[in-house]
Amino acid sequence: EAGVTQSPTHLIKTRGQQATLRCSPISGHTSVYWYQQALGLGLQFLLWYDEGEERNRGNFPPRFSGRQFPNYSSELNVNALELEDSALYLCASSLYGLEAFFGQGTRLTVV
Amino acid sequence: GIQVEQSPPDLILQEGANSTLRCNFSDSVNNLQWFHQNPWGQLINLFYIPSGTKQNGRLSATTVATERYSLLYISSSQTTDSGVYFCAVERPSNYQLIWGAGTKLIIKP
Repeated sequence: EAGVTQSPTHLIKTRGQQATLRCSPISGHTSVYWYQQALGLGLQFLLWYDEGEERNRGNFPPRFSGRQFPNYSSELNVNALELEDSALYLCASSLYGLEAFFGQGTRLTVV
Repeated sequence: GIQVEQSPPDLILQEGANSTLRCNFSDSVNNLQWFHQNPWGQLINLFYIPSGTKQNGRLSATTVATERYSLLYISSSQTTDSGVYFCAVERPSNYQLIWGAGTKLIIKP
């Protein structure tokens, strides 16, 4: 059974551009979570989607947005990129409230 | 909100040593997970342990929910055990995971 997959693995953007990150959950999982992890720091909660709806949002500006598709895959969009958006973005999936599993992450670099 | 504290923040050991990592949480939780983040950033599930004791090879974990703590034991450490160990608890009100700051473990050969 395939695990959580994220694409791309690495992404380099210039300041002011938009970035789109993708996540495919484990088959059968309906919840997708997005986290940001800056270098050497802990995980900061970004967004939680379940059954196509945004269930919760972390303390991030509105230029961080996303969506969940009918097949439960998800996109994270970051508009007007800033240098401090450079980080590892991790996606996790779970069946509502149960054990969460993570993808390998997308390393975003803003130059 | 729920606070999660992990200790120690850093731990340096020689290969073959044993270690105990602790996770304290401030309120009742639905469940608790332990993760290992390797040097490449991958988060690997270690234990899903809302209560009781589980073992997996050289690793074991115990959660005492009534006293609001969990312990992760690593025996006969290997260099591949190096990385950051995170504890995360699930908030009952909205199923969101609340994360500790992690314990950075370095195993020297």
